[in-house]
Amino acid sequence: NAGVTQTPKFQVLKTGQSMTLQCAQDMNHNSMYWYRQDPGMGLRLIYYSASEGTTDKGEVPNGYNVSRLNKREFSLRLESAAPSQTSVYFCASSDLGAGTDTQYFGPGTRLTVL
Amino acid sequence: SQQGEEDPQALSIQEGENATMNCSYKTSINNLQWYRQNSGRGLVHLILIRSNEREKHSGRLRVTLDTSKKSSSLLITASRAADTASYFCATERSSGDKLTFGTGTRLAVRP
Repeated sequence: NAGVTQTPKFQVLKTGQSMTLQCAQDMNHNSMYWYRQDPGMGLRLIYYSASEGTTDKGEVPNGYNVSRLNKREFSLRLESAAPSQTSVYFCASSDLGAGTDTQYFGPGTRLTVL
Repeated sequence: SQQGEEDPQALSIQEGENATMNCSYKTSINNLQWYRQNSGRGLVHLILIRSNEREKHSGRLRVTLDTSKKSSSLLITASRAADTASYFCATERSSGDKLTFGTGTRLAVRP
């Protein structure tokens, strides 16, 4: 099993450009998450999807959109990138139906917005 | 807002020593989890302790939970250079709720 995979690993954008970060999991998990990690801030939840067909805002959703394409895939889109979105983005999944939210993380995408 | 706050922010010890890091949180919880993050990698789940448990062990890891003080500690015994990483606590406020992560403790183990 590959676990949680993310593409791309690195990306440099110019202000105003758009891009989609891809995430897929092969653990048959119901729930998926997008976080951003900034120095000294820990992980902050951007959006999550408790189950296929549902998405909800997290702590810092502004400037982002998500799509839960199917049970395996959860993408994060930046419509018009801003320098404040320079960060490391992590996707995670969990089996909330098991009663606890133990999460499995992908390797991350390092995004720089110039 | 961060639910968990780790202390210290950074810790440097010699190989073979024990490392202790603490996590304080603000609201009642269903469980508390500890994760490790190696440099440039994603987080990896280490151990989960439920609100009705006081102590839990996993290999060289020992976690305690004091719900009256809203705090937890992670002890790594006989540390190794490979334990060098950042350690995060994460709280689940109710069953099935999403996790809230703290800001992490950076541990450096000197060979």
